[in-house]
Amino acid sequence: AQTVTQSQPEMSVQEAETVTLSCTYDTSESDYYLFWYKQPPSRQMILVIRQEAYKQQNATENRFSVNFQKAAKSFSLKISDSQLGDAAMYFCAYIYAGNMLTFGGGTRLMVKP
Amino acid sequence: EAQVTQNPRYLITVTGKKLTVTCSQNMNHEYMSWYRQDPGLGLRQIYYSMNVEVTDKGDVPEGYKVSRKEKRNFPLILESPSPNQTSLYFCASSFRGPTPSNYGYTFGSGTRLTVV
Repeated sequence: AQTVTQSQPEMSVQEAETVTLSCTYDTSESDYYLFWYKQPPSRQMILVIRQEAYKQQNATENRFSVNFQKAAKSFSLKISDSQLGDAAMYFCAYIYAGNMLTFGGGTRLMVKP
Repeated sequence: EAQVTQNPRYLITVTGKKLTVTCSQNMNHEYMSWYRQDPGLGLRQIYYSMNVEVTDKGDVPEGYKVSRKEKRNFPLILESPSPNQTSLYFCASSFRGPTPSNYGYTFGSGTRLTVV
């Protein structure tokens, strides 16, 4: 079974600084998708960024980028120029060919003004 | 507006009193799913449905039932709720494409359930 691990239950960052959230996963598949979701206090699940395993290029979305290391099964999220609105729970997730979306335990990010 | 609608947002109930949490999507998605979210455990899948009349168990199905009589609706039923089912519940839907590139999940706003 696939597992997703987020080893940092909580992280904090100073406003305007950069922070990296870690995620590792375990799978025997070669073609899959990885995601980072943001959950603000409103509880809404918001897709931040998506990475296709067959693509070597790391995905980027404005201030959000990933470092995808397929051999190491690592998928970290980098947030640049952190803003107060980035404070939230962040979940790493994995999916393969129609199977269920498997989530990590989450990392709570606090942004200090 | 494309969305997944869950109701209610908050629910407090007593042990053993049957309840239903509704979920409806307006995007003609084939795939629908229920998750529960607990601190430190992330979101875990309860049940999912690939299409009408097709449902299957996820990781934590015990104590729950679902049905998929129509494409747009996927209610979650707790026949006899217990305190260990106190949690935050999410419904999600997506197209079920031939490749993972179609797997864009849309989540509902969540239902905070407390069983006393």
